Amino acid sequence: KAGVTQTPRYLIKTRGQQVTLSCSPISGHRSVSWYQQTPGQGLQFLFEYFSETQRNKGNFPGRFSGRQFSNSRSEMNVSTLELGDSALYLCASSLPGTGGDYEQYFGPGTRLTVT
Amino acid sequence: EDKVVQSPLSLVVHEGDTVTLNCSYEVTNFRSLLWYKQEKKAPTFLFMLTSSGIEKKSGRLSSILDKKELFSILNITATQTGDSAIYLCAVLIQGAQKLVFGQGTRLTINP
Repeated sequence: KAGVTQTPRYLIKTRGQQVTLSCSPISGHRSVSWYQQTPGQGLQFLFEYFSETQRNKGNFPGRFSGRQFSNSRSEMNVSTLELGDSALYLCASSLPGTGGDYEQYFGPGTRLTVT
Repeated sequence: EDKVVQSPLSLVVHEGDTVTLNCSYEVTNFRSLLWYKQEKKAPTFLFMLTSSGIEKKSGRLSSILDKKELFSILNITATQTGDSAIYLCAVLIQGAQKLVFGQGTRLTINP
């Protein structure tokens, strides 16, 4: 079974620009979560999507947004990029079980550098 | 605010040693605790713990959860250089479907 895939793997953008990152979950997984990883803050939750609906959101400004498509693929968008947005963006997919206990499997990440 | 704290932050040992990594948590709605190993890229899943006192084991790695004292440990026996990585502990928040991560423990195994 193919794992979580993310594109692009690396991206360099300039301050003020916007960026869209893509995530394809493991086949059959319907929940997709996004995380930002930086050396200073570690891994922080951005948002989670299930059946095309955002169910949960972390403490990030409105410049960070996302969506999920009917095939469970997800995109996240960051507008008006700032230097502090430079990070590894990780996507994780999971298969919600009846009890809600399920592992999240991570993709390889997109390394975003803002100059 | 939900918080997960790992210790030590960094650990250097010799090949063959046994190590114990710690994770304590303080969250509003605990669902389960997960351990991940991160080398150069994506975190890879190791264990998910939901019940207290039940040890989960995979080869040389094992982990246990204490829900009364709000902590978990990850043990690695007979360490190898390939165990060098950052080990992340995360708590799954019930109802929010989000993971709250600790800072990670950077483990270095010297030959």
